[in-house]
Amino acid sequence: AQTVTQSQPEMSVQEAETVTLSCTYDTSENNYYLFWYKQPPSRQMILVIRQEAYKQQNATENRFSVNFQKAAKSFSLKISDSQLGDTAMYFCAFSWEGAQKLVFGQGTRLTINP
Amino acid sequence: AAGVIQSPRHLIKEKRETATLKCYPIPRHDTVYWYQQGPGQDPQFLISFYEKMQSDKGSIPDRFSAQQFSDYHSELNMSSLELGDSALYFCASSYLLGQEYTEAFFGQGTRLTVV
Repeated sequence: AQTVTQSQPEMSVQEAETVTLSCTYDTSENNYYLFWYKQPPSRQMILVIRQEAYKQQNATENRFSVNFQKAAKSFSLKISDSQLGDTAMYFCAFSWEGAQKLVFGQGTRLTINP
Repeated sequence: AAGVIQSPRHLIKEKRETATLKCYPIPRHDTVYWYQQGPGQDPQFLISFYEKMQSDKGSIPDRFSAQQFSDYHSELNMSSLELGDSALYFCASSYLLGQEYTEAFFGQGTRLTVV
Protein backbone atom coordinates (compact mmCIF):
# COMPACT_ATOMS: atom_id res chain seq x y z
CA ALA A 1 0.00 0.00 0.00
CA GLN A 2 1.11 3.52 -0.70
CA THR A 3 1.21 5.99 2.17
CA VAL A 4 2.02 9.69 2.38
CA THR A 5 2.97 11.37 5.64
CA GLN A 6 3.13 15.06 6.44
CA SER A 7 4.49 15.47 9.94
CA GLN A 8 3.88 19.21 10.29
CA PRO A 9 0.18 19.93 10.98
CA GLU A 10 0.77 23.70 11.09
CA MET A 11 3.48 26.18 10.18
CA SER A 12 3.69 29.92 10.36
CA VAL A 13 6.25 32.33 8.90
CA GLN A 14 6.59 36.02 8.19
CA GLU A 15 5.99 37.43 4.76
CA ALA A 16 9.06 37.29 2.47
CA GLU A 17 10.64 34.46 4.47
CA THR A 18 11.41 31.03 3.07
CA VAL A 19 9.53 28.02 4.38
CA THR A 20 9.93 24.30 3.80
CA LEU A 21 7.12 21.79 4.11
CA SER A 22 8.02 18.14 4.67
CA CYS A 23 6.55 15.03 3.10
CA THR A 24 7.60 11.41 3.20
CA TYR A 25 6.06 8.51 1.39
CA ASP A 26 6.23 4.76 1.26
CA THR A 27 5.86 2.67 -1.85
CA SER A 28 7.18 -0.38 -3.62
CA GLU A 29 6.41 1.11 -7.02
CA ASN A 30 9.27 2.05 -9.35
CA ASN A 31 7.47 4.54 -11.56
CA TYR A 32 5.55 7.11 -9.62
CA TYR A 33 4.66 10.77 -9.40
CA LEU A 34 4.63 13.24 -6.56
CA PHE A 35 2.61 16.41 -6.25
CA TRP A 36 2.02 19.33 -3.98
CA TYR A 37 -1.50 20.75 -3.95
CA LYS A 38 -2.56 24.00 -2.35
CA GLN A 39 -6.01 24.42 -0.82
CA PRO A 40 -6.75 28.05 0.11
CA PRO A 41 -9.78 29.07 2.21
CA SER A 42 -11.90 28.84 -0.94
CA ARG A 43 -11.27 25.05 -0.69
CA GLN A 44 -10.25 24.84 -4.35
CA MET A 45 -7.49 22.25 -4.90
CA ILE A 46 -4.71 23.83 -6.95
CA LEU A 47 -1.69 21.97 -8.27
CA VAL A 48 1.49 23.72 -7.19
CA ILE A 49 4.21 21.46 -8.51
CA ARG A 50 4.78 17.96 -9.86
CA GLN A 51 7.79 15.60 -9.84
CA GLU A 52 8.28 12.40 -11.79
CA ALA A 53 10.29 9.83 -9.85
CA TYR A 54 12.48 9.00 -12.85
CA LYS A 55 13.69 12.59 -13.09
CA GLN A 56 16.74 13.35 -10.98
CA GLN A 57 16.40 17.10 -11.36
CA ASN A 58 14.21 18.77 -8.77
CA ALA A 59 11.12 20.47 -10.14
CA THR A 60 10.82 24.25 -9.90
CA GLU A 61 7.88 26.58 -10.52
CA ASN A 62 8.75 30.22 -9.88
CA ARG A 63 8.97 30.62 -6.08
CA PHE A 64 8.15 26.96 -5.47
CA SER A 65 10.73 24.20 -5.62
CA VAL A 66 11.04 20.69 -4.33
CA ASN A 67 13.80 18.66 -2.74
CA PHE A 68 13.21 15.13 -3.98
CA GLN A 69 15.29 12.53 -2.17
CA LYS A 70 14.30 9.23 -3.78
CA ALA A 71 16.37 6.94 -1.57
CA ALA A 72 14.99 8.57 1.56
CA LYS A 73 11.48 8.72 0.06
CA SER A 74 11.27 12.36 0.90
CA PHE A 75 9.61 15.14 -1.09
CA SER A 76 9.74 18.55 0.57
CA LEU A 77 8.34 21.81 -0.81
CA LYS A 78 10.26 25.06 -0.47
CA ILE A 79 8.43 28.35 -0.84
CA SER A 80 10.75 31.31 -1.32
CA ASP A 81 9.83 34.94 -0.73
CA SER A 82 6.53 33.85 0.83
CA GLN A 83 3.47 35.98 0.17
CA LEU A 84 0.21 36.48 2.06
CA GLY A 85 -1.58 34.65 -0.74
CA ASP A 86 0.43 31.53 0.02
CA THR A 87 -1.64 31.05 3.17
CA ALA A 88 -3.42 27.74 2.65
CA MET A 89 -3.49 24.04 3.41
CA TYR A 90 -0.80 22.22 1.49
CA PHE A 91 -1.22 18.56 0.61
CA CYS A 92 1.49 16.25 -0.60
CA ALA A 93 0.10 13.61 -2.96
CA PHE A 94 1.32 10.48 -4.69
CA SER A 95 0.31 8.47 -7.72
CA TRP A 96 1.97 5.72 -9.68
CA GLU A 97 2.09 4.24 -13.14
CA GLY A 98 -1.21 2.61 -14.01
CA ALA A 99 -3.00 4.10 -11.03
CA GLN A 100 -6.16 6.10 -11.47
CA LYS A 101 -6.05 7.99 -8.19
CA LEU A 102 -4.07 10.19 -5.86
CA VAL A 103 -3.12 9.33 -2.30
CA PHE A 104 -2.91 12.42 -0.12
CA GLY A 105 -1.01 13.24 3.02
CA GLN A 106 -2.73 14.72 6.04
CA GLY A 107 -1.91 18.27 5.04
CA THR A 108 0.06 21.18 6.52
CA ARG A 109 -1.72 24.41 7.36
CA LEU A 110 0.61 27.24 6.37
CA THR A 111 0.03 30.78 7.57
CA ILE A 112 1.99 33.71 6.17
CA ASN A 113 1.96 36.64 8.58
CA PRO A 114 2.31 40.27 7.46
CA ALA B 1 -9.36 28.00 -20.02
CA ALA B 2 -12.20 25.59 -19.30
CA GLY B 3 -12.15 24.00 -15.88
CA VAL B 4 -13.88 21.11 -14.18
CA ILE B 5 -17.46 22.08 -13.41
CA GLN B 6 -19.32 20.61 -10.47
CA SER B 7 -22.95 21.09 -9.59
CA PRO B 8 -24.49 21.93 -7.32
CA ARG B 9 -21.96 23.89 -5.30
CA HIS B 10 -23.92 23.45 -2.10
CA LEU B 11 -26.49 20.87 -1.14
CA ILE B 12 -28.44 20.30 2.04
CA LYS B 13 -30.23 17.00 2.53
CA GLU B 14 -31.93 15.22 5.38
CA LYS B 15 -30.88 11.85 6.73
CA ARG B 16 -32.00 8.92 4.61
CA GLU B 17 -32.51 11.12 1.56
CA THR B 18 -30.76 10.73 -1.80
CA ALA B 19 -28.33 13.13 -3.44
CA THR B 20 -26.87 13.34 -6.94
CA LEU B 21 -23.67 15.23 -7.62
CA LYS B 22 -22.62 16.08 -11.15
CA CYS B 23 -19.23 16.64 -12.69
CA TYR B 24 -18.32 17.98 -16.13
CA PRO B 25 -14.64 17.33 -16.92
CA ILE B 26 -12.32 19.53 -18.93
CA PRO B 27 -12.92 18.97 -22.68
CA ARG B 28 -10.91 16.05 -24.09
CA HIS B 29 -10.20 14.67 -20.63
CA ASP B 30 -11.13 11.00 -20.54
CA THR B 31 -10.67 10.23 -16.85
CA VAL B 32 -12.81 11.40 -13.94
CA TYR B 33 -12.10 10.97 -10.25
CA TRP B 34 -14.25 11.50 -7.17
CA TYR B 35 -12.86 12.41 -3.76
CA GLN B 36 -14.48 13.01 -0.39
CA GLN B 37 -12.97 15.50 2.05
CA GLY B 38 -14.42 15.54 5.54
CA PRO B 39 -13.94 18.54 7.86
CA GLY B 40 -10.26 18.95 8.66
CA GLN B 41 -9.39 15.82 6.68
CA ASP B 42 -7.36 15.11 3.58
CA PRO B 43 -9.24 14.11 0.41
CA GLN B 44 -10.08 10.43 0.25
CA PHE B 45 -10.38 8.72 -3.11
CA LEU B 46 -13.79 7.23 -3.84
CA ILE B 47 -13.85 6.05 -7.45
CA SER B 48 -12.54 6.81 -10.94
CA PHE B 49 -13.66 6.25 -14.51
CA TYR B 50 -11.74 6.00 -17.74
CA GLU B 51 -13.63 6.07 -21.03
CA LYS B 52 -16.91 5.44 -19.20
CA MET B 53 -15.62 2.33 -17.43
CA GLN B 54 -14.79 2.17 -13.75
CA SER B 55 -11.01 2.18 -13.52
CA ASP B 56 -10.30 2.19 -9.79
CA LYS B 57 -12.26 2.05 -6.58
CA GLY B 58 -11.43 3.34 -3.14
CA SER B 59 -13.33 3.65 0.08
CA ILE B 60 -16.71 4.26 -1.49
CA PRO B 61 -19.67 3.08 0.61
CA ASP B 62 -22.08 0.60 -0.93
CA ARG B 63 -24.77 3.29 -0.60
CA PHE B 64 -22.91 5.33 -3.20
CA SER B 65 -22.75 4.64 -6.90
CA ALA B 66 -21.27 6.52 -9.81
CA GLN B 67 -21.06 6.40 -13.54
CA GLN B 68 -19.54 8.24 -16.47
CA PHE B 69 -21.75 9.01 -19.43
CA SER B 70 -21.10 9.11 -23.17
CA ASP B 71 -20.36 12.86 -23.02
CA TYR B 72 -17.79 12.07 -20.27
CA HIS B 73 -19.67 13.84 -17.52
CA SER B 74 -20.02 11.86 -14.33
CA GLU B 75 -22.59 11.59 -11.58
CA LEU B 76 -22.16 10.42 -8.00
CA ASN B 77 -25.37 9.07 -6.52
CA MET B 78 -25.63 8.85 -2.77
CA SER B 79 -28.55 7.10 -1.08
CA SER B 80 -29.67 6.63 2.53
CA LEU B 81 -27.62 9.66 3.50
CA GLU B 82 -26.04 9.70 6.95
CA LEU B 83 -24.76 12.61 9.02
CA GLY B 84 -21.23 11.35 8.43
CA ASP B 85 -21.62 11.87 4.70
CA SER B 86 -21.41 15.62 5.25
CA ALA B 87 -18.27 16.62 3.41
CA LEU B 88 -16.80 18.41 0.44
CA TYR B 89 -16.96 16.22 -2.65
CA PHE B 90 -14.40 16.89 -5.33
CA CYS B 91 -14.41 15.80 -8.89
CA ALA B 92 -11.18 15.90 -10.87
CA SER B 93 -10.33 15.09 -14.46
CA SER B 94 -7.25 14.21 -16.47
CA TYR B 95 -6.30 12.44 -19.65
CA LEU B 96 -4.56 9.11 -19.82
CA LEU B 97 -1.25 9.16 -21.65
CA GLY B 98 -0.34 5.49 -21.98
CA GLN B 99 0.26 4.34 -18.44
CA GLU B 100 1.54 7.71 -17.31
CA TYR B 101 -0.49 9.59 -14.73
CA THR B 102 -1.09 13.10 -15.99
CA GLU B 103 -2.02 15.80 -13.57
CA ALA B 104 -5.57 15.94 -12.30
CA PHE B 105 -7.44 19.22 -12.34
CA PHE B 106 -9.97 19.63 -9.59
CA GLY B 107 -13.39 21.22 -9.62
CA GLN B 108 -14.46 23.62 -6.91
CA GLY B 109 -16.29 20.89 -5.06
CA THR B 110 -19.82 20.28 -3.86
CA ARG B 111 -20.39 20.89 -0.19
CA LEU B 112 -22.94 18.39 1.06
CA THR B 113 -24.54 18.92 4.42
CA VAL B 114 -26.74 16.17 5.85
CA VAL B 115 -29.08 17.28 8.64
